[in-house]
Amino acid sequence: SQQGEEDPQALSIQEGENATMNCSYKTSINNLQWYRQNSGRGLVHLILIRSNEREKHSGRLRVTLDTSKKSSSLLITASRAADTASYFCATDAKAGGTSYGKLTFGQGTILTVHP
Amino acid sequence: NAGVTQTPKFQVLKTGQSMTLQCAQDMNHEYMSWYRQDPGMGLRLIHYSVGAGITDQGEVPNGYNVSRSTTEDFPLRLLSAAPSQTSVYFCASSYFQGYGYTFGSGTRLTVV
Repeated sequence: SQQGEEDPQALSIQEGENATMNCSYKTSINNLQWYRQNSGRGLVHLILIRSNEREKHSGRLRVTLDTSKKSSSLLITASRAADTASYFCATDAKAGGTSYGKLTFGQGTILTVHP
Repeated sequence: NAGVTQTPKFQVLKTGQSMTLQCAQDMNHEYMSWYRQDPGMGLRLIHYSVGAGITDQGEVPNGYNVSRSTTEDFPLRLLSAAPSQTSVYFCASSYFQGYGYTFGSGTRLTVV
């Protein structure tokens, strides 16, 4: 079974609004990552947050991580039509304190931003 | 251009045929992985590697083989193609733990 589950499965907003996507996971992690995928293309890495971090910013992106609840959220502020894409969270699981290079993805949130 | 290169981009196979999907990266990344993406299923990990000579199974390894003889290359072999292997396959690489992954543009495989 997949490590991450994302909510909502689909999100439709107007340009200029904020978009929030949530991710829950099951096991201890080294870090959690967010990716974007435009239709029919490969994934693009957006941001990585380590297990000892609680919040991270990158441009219009804000990511939070709550390891006690095993959850993360991605906030995109002042969204644009070009932000229309699928967004995936991915976890780098921890096993015995080490990473095995095994990145596991959630099923993704489809974001549509209307002009 | 630096990045992850996947070939071919499209492939149609007949049931029972075998083939190799190629993946190469020129960023000196240690970690490499193969995923398949099916509608509504997100990305599922097939096999992954943390360095030359080291590979391990992911979530859906059956029907696929990998090897990692060099840091740069991580080919995925389909032993006997089945219609259930119709999917889009992505290769990805990362420098090390704590770094994001760079993805290739994918191979769209159809098995008839």
